[in-house]
Amino acid sequence: NAGVTQTPKFQVLKTGQSMTLQCAQDMNHEYMSWYRQDPGMGLRLIHYSVGAGITDQGEVPNGYNVSRSTTEDFPLRLLSAAPSQTSVYFCASSRQTSTDTQYFGPGTRLTVL
Amino acid sequence: AQSVTQPDIHITVSEGASLELRCNYSYGATPYLFWYVQSPGQGLQLLLKYFSGDTLVQGIKGFEAEFKRSQSSFNLRKPSVHWSDAAEYFCAVGAVYNFNKFYFGSGTKLNVKP
Repeated sequence: NAGVTQTPKFQVLKTGQSMTLQCAQDMNHEYMSWYRQDPGMGLRLIHYSVGAGITDQGEVPNGYNVSRSTTEDFPLRLLSAAPSQTSVYFCASSRQTSTDTQYFGPGTRLTVL
Repeated sequence: AQSVTQPDIHITVSEGASLELRCNYSYGATPYLFWYVQSPGQGLQLLLKYFSGDTLVQGIKGFEAEFKRSQSSFNLRKPSVHWSDAAEYFCAVGAVYNFNKFYFGSGTKLNVKP
């Protein structure tokens, strides 16, 4: 039981490049979410999903896309990276909703030059 | 809109001393309240949560938190801190009207002196 896994651990991009952050969970959780963590701002919700085929925006969705084709996977796409997207990104999953215990992945540190 | 305030950015306590981390929330109704902990270089782990009922809730690792409606607070406490408690602590709010939206405070970094 691996829990929540994220790849890559570190990534450096140039402005305008695109990339996908991967997230997978093996707990059969319906709810999955992406957060970004910036110094002094805590974690902010980017997008979330309540099941395969269902996604919605969180607090800071601009510049990010998500999809959920399976229960296990919830990738986060940056279509055209900007320096403002330099951050640490965390994926989390929980049984049904955000108010169930959320299990977090180890994070991806992204730098956009 | 709901918000969570953690007024202390950094706190340093001596090992064995008591600890209280402050959290205030702004919300029209009683929200669902949480404390998560992040050890260096790690993801977050749930310490405890409050939904309703007894206003003093017990969590893992010897932590407890008290919900005070009159003060809109949900402070985290531990009677005797261990060196392994050094971490960053986040208070969070789950919206009652929308269980899918979740809001974290800015965090309090705890240092423990030997």
